[in-house]
Amino acid sequence: AQRVTQPEKLLSVFKGAPVELKCNYSYSGSPELFWYVQYSRQRLQLLLRHISRESIKGFTADLNKGETSFHLKKPFAQEEDSAMYYCALNVKGAQKLVFGQGTRLTINP
Amino acid sequence: NAGVTQTPKFQVLKTGQSMTLQCAQDMNHEYMSWYRQDPGMGLRLIHYSVGAGITDQGEVPNGYNVSRSTTEDFPLRLLSAAPSQTSVYFCASTQKGETQYFGPGTRLLVL
Repeated sequence: AQRVTQPEKLLSVFKGAPVELKCNYSYSGSPELFWYVQYSRQRLQLLLRHISRESIKGFTADLNKGETSFHLKKPFAQEEDSAMYYCALNVKGAQKLVFGQGTRLTINP
Repeated sequence: NAGVTQTPKFQVLKTGQSMTLQCAQDMNHEYMSWYRQDPGMGLRLIHYSVGAGITDQGEVPNGYNVSRSTTEDFPLRLLSAAPSQTSVYFCASTQKGETQYFGPGTRLLVL
């Protein structure tokens, strides 16, 4: 079965500190993983997809197939990073997403 | 391009009432989906479509109907609203190999 787990509902760090949002997945095939961000009362926006291997707004995420993880990292948090973050898995063929429960990240000044 | 649009932005219903949430996209995407967002549960798939005339159930389809008569539109119908359907509803569209594009959401309150 396809499943995405984000173990932390809430994460609070100070500005300038490193951030890591955890994501683990379960998928029988080759996974296609994403991180989406939702700023207050806005629509979901794509932050990262694993196949592009790029850094957006200072965030990076590496797919670790051995640990079935896709953790999101940023070395120095900024106040504007405060948002809801969702890890998602694309179910190929149907092009539908399975989401984790989300992590609300708060960056304290 | 307007992208993915949803109407209404906010709606209050009484238990038992019916309504249709509208979703439209102007990107000629084949795939469209409806999700509901609830605190602590992330987004859950209600129904999805892989093309005009083709729909299928997602994780939480009960109480909802969909149809896909055109590529552009994918309305979601609540047949008889219940308080458990109070949620924020997001529509999304995509093409194969692309990322999903989300609409702005509809906030629904069922009293």
